[in-house]
Amino acid sequence: AQSVAQPEDQVNVAEGNPLTVKCTYSVSGNPYLFWYVQYPNRGLQFLLKYITGDNLVKGSYGFEAEFNKSQTSFHLKKPSALVSDSALYFCAAPGGVTGFQKLVFGTGTRLLVSP
Amino acid sequence: NAGVMQNPRHLVRRRGQEARLRCSPMKGHSHVYWYRQLPEEGLKFMVYLQKENIIDESGMPKERFSAEFPKEGPSILRIQQVVRGDSAAYFCASSQGSDTGELFFGEGSRLTVL
Repeated sequence: AQSVAQPEDQVNVAEGNPLTVKCTYSVSGNPYLFWYVQYPNRGLQFLLKYITGDNLVKGSYGFEAEFNKSQTSFHLKKPSALVSDSALYFCAAPGGVTGFQKLVFGTGTRLLVSP
Repeated sequence: NAGVMQNPRHLVRRRGQEARLRCSPMKGHSHVYWYRQLPEEGLKFMVYLQKENIIDESGMPKERFSAEFPKEGPSILRIQQVVRGDSAAYFCASSQGSDTGELFFGEGSRLTVL
């Protein structure tokens, strides 16, 4: 089983600037990590996942995430933020002993991109 | 191209009444998950079902809550004798298999208990 933590409740960034949303993990075994985004009054949408392979994972809407084993982190990044990126972002990991069916989500980080 | 459909989107109940939340998974998906999101909190896993079977209900409260996913029809999350603490957004998600981690979420059902 794995768990994730999102240390920031909110991140503020100006449009056009790079953004980072932080996530750290705790695992017993190989880490499998995910990022989801939730727009207001909507369900979550899958952004990207790390299973194995390259430490830099590319996902939807220009987002990417960097897996760092030594720091047990999986931070979400984007080179140039858009106002439309403002949303709630969740890091997730499988919470069961096997398989991905029971995703455990972090508490979420609210991203606010100002014009 | 319908996604995961949940209804009702908003439900108001008085304490002691029953709430029934419905979820139709994406076409071709046979795995359904229910999550609860309390105000200002993250999502908490409740239950994972496949057609006619409950696979993992470790996140379900022991009393008053039940879920089913019949052979025909939508998955149902049922809350009996609701209390104010049940007020939350309930999200359903579906997947084609259980080995990808990529869940497709509905827009949620927001339950308010008066």
